[in-house]
Amino acid sequence: QKEVEQNSGPLSVPEGAIASLNCTYSDRVSQSFFWYRQYSGKSPELIMSIYSNGDKEDGRFTAQLNKASQYVSLLIRDSQPSDSATYLCAVNMWGNNRLAFGKGNQVVVIP
Amino acid sequence: DTGVSQDPRHKITKRGQNVTFRCDPISEHNRLYWYRQTLGQGPEFLTYFQNEAQLEKSRLLSDRFSAERPKGSFSTLEIQRTEQGDSAMYLCASSLGGGTTEAFFGQGTRLTVV
Repeated sequence: QKEVEQNSGPLSVPEGAIASLNCTYSDRVSQSFFWYRQYSGKSPELIMSIYSNGDKEDGRFTAQLNKASQYVSLLIRDSQPSDSATYLCAVNMWGNNRLAFGKGNQVVVIP
Repeated sequence: DTGVSQDPRHKITKRGQNVTFRCDPISEHNRLYWYRQTLGQGPEFLTYFQNEAQLEKSRLLSDRFSAERPKGSFSTLEIQRTEQGDSAMYLCASSLGGGTTEAFFGQGTRLTVV
């Protein structure tokens, strides 16, 4: 089982709609959770971090964490063409110094 | 604060040659990470420094790879006897340390081995 899984294929959403991305992780003691945005040919950019169960909102982005289900999600409200990118889920496990990444989900916002 | 800086941005090398990449972290960050990313995959952990100490190295990392962080500031990643399979984006990230693990990436170095 992979440490971090993002299984959905490319997601196409119309401009103004909500994009929903999901991520599951294998280690129950994971402590910190992050979403990175990566434009084609560029490096990952941190957009959200979440550490406790529940929702965290930052502008048009909402991260949701459910540690019991080992599940993290990212919602992008009022999607814009500039949101078209690959979104990477990253998890830091307790006592571990590195981030484990999923392979990412591509989002395409259609004008 | 200019963020994490990596040099060079692109490197093309012939198979069998050695290459060295440099990373300058955010100045107050004491943790530094190297990752490798290939097309369609997420970043893969290579190694981690806390100040000048290399505290963790991926089991997948070949002996041809070595990293240093002298004086706990910039870091270098060297690949000896490059192979075509080494072609990838090499990413450096840094974090403040302590209770926070938010990591910020540099622009990356794209390596092409021909």
